[in-house]
Order: sequence, then structure tokens, then C-alpha cells
Amino acid sequence: DIQMTQSPSSLSASVGDRVTITCRASQGISNYLAWYQQTPGKVPKLLIYGASTLQSGVPPRFSGSGSGTDFTLTISSLQPEDVATYYCQKYNSAPYTFGQGTKLEI
Amino acid sequence: QVQLVQSGAEVKKPGASVRVSCETSGYTFTDYYIHWVRQAPGQGLEWMGWMNPDSGGTNFAQNFQGRVLMTRDTTIHTAYMDLTNLTSDDTAVYYCAREQGLVSDFWGHGTLVTVSS
Repeated sequence: DIQMTQSPSSLSASVGDRVTITCRASQGISNYLAWYQQTPGKVPKLLIYGASTLQSGVPPRFSGSGSGTDFTLTISSLQPEDVATYYCQKYNSAPYTFGQGTKLEI
Repeated sequence: QVQLVQSGAEVKKPGASVRVSCETSGYTFTDYYIHWVRQAPGQGLEWMGWMNPDSGGTNFAQNFQGRVLMTRDTTIHTAYMDLTNLTSDDTAVYYCAREQGLVSDFWGHGTLVTVSS
């Protein structure tokens, strides 16, 4: 099975900072990569699919890029409400494996 | 609006089985796959499998093969996930989620399953 590895596992940043989270697949998955945000105590929320397509209603400060094995999630200007754990997920074929998560703090 | 409403928390003994239900509304139940994802306390998300509500077809992660069943009742727009032979490692919040274009766009609120003797 394809493994998904995120880095870093955690990070601390300041309001207004540009934040980048990376996700690496152990084999190529084209652009079948989604990003989810899970704020503390809440249900995961879809942010990005197709590696770079923003889900409806997601603020444009979030963006995604990459293809093949290497992907990034970028928050252009960090806001307090962005404190969350972020997960990538592959969906080119089953199993739809998640990365281990990146915990973002301010 | 799209809603997925899950059954309430469960406490089970080791070796027992659990059934979690996911009642959907606001869309055509048979048009969208249902995925199940779990999250152990303080841990990340673990994909368990999907079910096609139209055909009943399923696809499970290797970790759950032989222990999980995903079924549905189309008359009441409800999906079910049964997990058997529970151990303490199965203590987790279990989520159902609707698949749209291969990704999970709407999620249930989660069901806590606690396995304890």
C-alpha cells in the first residue's frame, strides 16, 4: 500500500505568517490528493481536493499544489481560527490512506 | 441541506461487536458512496472502507478485512458499520462521510465507541 508522510508533525507560527505543510506519497498518485482541517473537538473539514482545487466556502488564504509524490498545503496569512490539525489523504485507489497529521499552533 | 446523523456512543466489552448507524438526509442516498473513518483518542484519522449504497458493494482497508461489515437500508437512507471481535485498540470515534468526486465532503458528527472490560 502507498504510505502518506506529512511534515512537520507539528509547528508553531504567528498570526500573519505564511505556513507550508508538506505531504509525500511513497508512490505516485497523480493529483488524487485531498487536504482536511480538523479543529480541536470538531469533525474533519474538506479544504482542498485534486491537490489544488479549493472546496467551496474555504478562504482563499488556503492553497494546495503538487502532483505525483510531493504536495504542499499553504496558508498565506495565518489566522487564529486556523489552529487545527491538517491531514492529507490519497484517493487514487483504495486504501484511501491519510497522512499522520500536522498540528498547527499559534 | 446535507446531513449525516450518527447513532450514540457505545460501551462494549472485549470480544463483542458494535453497530454504528449513519442516517442521511438532504440528498439522494444511493447516488453517493459512504466512507467510514475512525480516530483513536489523540490519534490521527484512519480510513476503514467505503460502501456503495446503490449496489451494496464494499471495499475495506486491509486492517479491517474479516472484521467489518458495511451495509445499508435504502428505505430509510441509512448506512451501517458493524465491527466484530472488539479489542481496546478499537476504542475510537467512528465517522461516516459522504463521498463526492472521490473525496469526503460531508461528515457525520462521530460516534464514540469505548471498548473496556
